[in-house]
Amino acid sequence: GAVVSQHPSWVICKSGTSVKIECRSLDFQATTMFWYRQFPKQSLMLMATSNEGSKATYEQGVEKDKFLINHASLTLSTLTVTSAHPEDSSFYICSAAGRGSSYNEQFFGPGTRLTVL
Amino acid sequence: AQSVTQLGSHVSVSEGALVLLRCNYSSSVPPYLFWYVQYPNQGLQLLLKYTTGATLVKGINGFEAEFKKSETSFHLTKPSAHMSDAAEYFCAVSVGGTASKLTFGTGTRLQVTL
Repeated sequence: GAVVSQHPSWVICKSGTSVKIECRSLDFQATTMFWYRQFPKQSLMLMATSNEGSKATYEQGVEKDKFLINHASLTLSTLTVTSAHPEDSSFYICSAAGRGSSYNEQFFGPGTRLTVL
Repeated sequence: AQSVTQLGSHVSVSEGALVLLRCNYSSSVPPYLFWYVQYPNQGLQLLLKYTTGATLVKGINGFEAEFKKSETSFHLTKPSAHMSDAAEYFCAVSVGGTASKLTFGTGTRLQVTL
């Protein structure tokens, strides 16, 4: 089956620092990757959609200068939280979709828990 | 724009009892509908999905859901709950295909008691 990994699984950082989260499709080429944010006991909110080789499309209300998304290859997308603050603490989940009928759906990563002190 | 409403943020059933998690959707075009399960501190696992065709969809772990267009519903059921079913369940909708962006409901936490 299709496997998506995220690294790190959890990270703690100081306020004002930047944090990079990686999302990888391990056994398929991900033409599209999605980044979601989930607050405790709440649903997933889509932050942005990225297609390989092009700029990410951000959802309304998401600051693109704060949440930098790069999808430089068919197996890797990164989300960088710049100048993180405590309100950015959350569970970040990526998903990936690829070509072909076997991969024409979103496969989710295990998530990254970010805590900003 | 599409949306999903999950009735009941918390459902508790006894082991062996019927599980029924409710989901209603709103969409101006034919929707693609999904149910996902999330265990604590983990990502989402697809239980089942409706695209086109047969309205009764069977998924993993004994779950199934029925697409009812007239009621704009996609309720999730399982005849007999197991302790391992305790988790958070999310209903989601997309309109651009199975690989398009998803709009999630607020989730239902299923508790299974002895």
